[in-house]
Amino acid sequence: DQQVKQNSPSLSVQEGRISILNCDYTNSMFDYFLWYKKYPAEGPTFLISISSIKDKNEDGRFTVFLNKSAKHLSLHIVPSQPGDSAVYFCAATVFGGATNKLIFGTGTLLAVQP
Amino acid sequence: NAGVTQTPKFQVLKTGQSMTLQCAQDMNHNSMYWYRQDPGMGLRLIYYSASEGTTDKGEVPNGYNVSRLNKREFSLRLESAAPSQTSVYFCASTPQPGQEGEQYFGPGTRLTVT
Repeated sequence: DQQVKQNSPSLSVQEGRISILNCDYTNSMFDYFLWYKKYPAEGPTFLISISSIKDKNEDGRFTVFLNKSAKHLSLHIVPSQPGDSAVYFCAATVFGGATNKLIFGTGTLLAVQP
Repeated sequence: NAGVTQTPKFQVLKTGQSMTLQCAQDMNHNSMYWYRQDPGMGLRLIYYSASEGTTDKGEVPNGYNVSRLNKREFSLRLESAAPSQTSVYFCASTPQPGQEGEQYFGPGTRLTVT
């Protein structure tokens, strides 16, 4: 049972346009959500997070939106740059627990075309 | 700071052989994690250690054992490797559960079992 789902395996956008990556979750206990970026042959690196008490968090070109009623979050990248080409994973956890175990989605490969 | 380091970077094993994957972090983090990444599956938690002296099973622990040697080091052992364990293995750490959601990942070990 996949608790965190990324239904788009890949996405291609033009440089300068907006990239929107989507993520759905099923476990209503999740209250903290993260996005990670992964380049080939490297480990994932943290990008941005959001707590369930917020519906939006912004960091430069990256904004994460959370819709708790729909159990849906999205990552917006504006403007997209070729260096953003990578696999993006969303992850969810129950914050404040003893372990901070993250449940990851399957990833979306973003290709930004020059 | 080197962050999270993993050795080796690559390994090829024959079915039935054993090996230990090493992980160390120099950030004084309390919690450490082992994940495997397979195509189309995202990252799945194998084992974790919430603090020095404790270890617990994650989603996919079968065929693996772990040792939290000290606060810095967390090793993953395959006692009798199987082709199904061909994967990329990532170690991660986090300062303190409940205080910071993001985990910091190492560069990965690519393991092939023939």
